[in-house]
Amino acid sequence: EPEVTQTPSHQVTQMGQEVILRCVPISNHLYFYWYRQILGQKVEFLVSFYNNEISEKSEIFDDQFSVERPDGSNFTLKIRSTKLEDSAMYFCASRIRQGARETQYFGPGTRLLVL
Amino acid sequence: GDSVTQMEGPVTLSEEAFLTINCTYTATGYPSLFWYVQYPGEGLQLLLKATKADDKGSNKGFEATYRKETTSFHLEKGSVQVSDSAVYFCALGIQGAQKLVFGQGTRLTINP
Repeated sequence: EPEVTQTPSHQVTQMGQEVILRCVPISNHLYFYWYRQILGQKVEFLVSFYNNEISEKSEIFDDQFSVERPDGSNFTLKIRSTKLEDSAMYFCASRIRQGARETQYFGPGTRLLVL
Repeated sequence: GDSVTQMEGPVTLSEEAFLTINCTYTATGYPSLFWYVQYPGEGLQLLLKATKADDKGSNKGFEATYRKETTSFHLEKGSVQVSDSAVYFCALGIQGAQKLVFGQGTRLTINP
């Protein structure tokens, strides 16, 4: 069964460093998402991406964040200058179609720790 | 704004016990409702969903009914197993919006 994959599974970085989190969505999916979950808190939406542009973003997704689909398979989240409060589990998701009824399929997550 | 509230965890039950995890929501419009499960070390997996009022989603012995009158989508299972130990997330999707809105998650532990 096709699945969303994410790399790395864990990343430790120093405050102020840039990190890139990578995701490979399900191959025929057209809509891509990033969410994060700070330890003990809710899963929060960051950004959605369709047709090579951001379609929706949350207040959390400020200028320090960017997303890119550099080729036909990868979808990346870049944090330019990490802060301590960026420490969280980051989930990538994808779905085939637009619409609230359509299921989003999630990857296993990348646990980011900023020191 | 749109929000989801789940019962506080953690929940600990014995094997074969009856499970209910409460979920209520606040939403504009007519949301679709989802339960996701996260097993240890894994990502979020869709457990079941319902897309309109009175629909019942079911999977792996779990059920949830979309109750518009009480704005609820409670998860139930008649007889839980140790393998059901996981974190369960209730979520909603709003037509016209991209995002899912999640509850805080409920950690379930089943003891043999």
